[in-house]
Amino acid sequence: EIVLTQSPGTLSLSPGERATLSCRASQSVSSGYLAWYQQKPGQAPRLLIYGASSRATGIPDRISGSGSGTDFTLTISRLEPEDFAVYYCQQYGSSFIFTFGPGTKVDIK
Amino acid sequence: EVQLVESGGGLVQPGGSLRLSCAASGITFSSYGMSWVRQAPGKGLEWVSNIISSGTRINYADSVKGRFTISRDNSKNTLYLQLNSLRADDTAIYYCARSLNGAFDLWGQGTMVTVSS
Repeated sequence: EIVLTQSPGTLSLSPGERATLSCRASQSVSSGYLAWYQQKPGQAPRLLIYGASSRATGIPDRISGSGSGTDFTLTISRLEPEDFAVYYCQQYGSSFIFTFGPGTKVDIK
Repeated sequence: EVQLVESGGGLVQPGGSLRLSCAASGITFSSYGMSWVRQAPGKGLEWVSNIISSGTRINYADSVKGRFTISRDNSKNTLYLQLNSLRADDTAIYYCARSLNGAFDLWGQGTMVTVSS
């Protein structure tokens, strides 16, 4: 089973700053099946990125994903007030199992 | 309107059972794989189970294997999760989600399951 590790656990930044979130997998993620989600308190998660770098419908271009193999990054180029939330990475493996990372909280500095 | 609506959550004693439902609307339900994902209070997301569009392939997380059963009725546009032998650590919000390209692109609002005596 592939284990995902996210860093940092918490990222304290100001609006307008750049956020760089990391997701590392214990084994190579097959065919780029790596996704990122945003979750705000009391809400369901929202898909941001799938296939490591493809933006989901309606996601602004200040949010981008990159990476391959075992190392992936979510970048928010300029933080807007609505971007302060918890972010999860998730992979889908060859054994048809999904796993999530523990999450990174982006809060206001 | 495109939406998934879960129901069936509630308070249940340890060892008890519950059946969750997820009603889909605005989508061609029979074309998509579907999953259940849960989130314990104050914790992260945990994938629980997945069923492909035809219902012929099913997978479970080790933590629920042998106790939970996923199923679907494409004629009713509904996904189900039967929860048996419930334990305190099954307490969580249970979300249904549509799976596409290895990701979950549509989520319900969730239904709360509390296991307590």
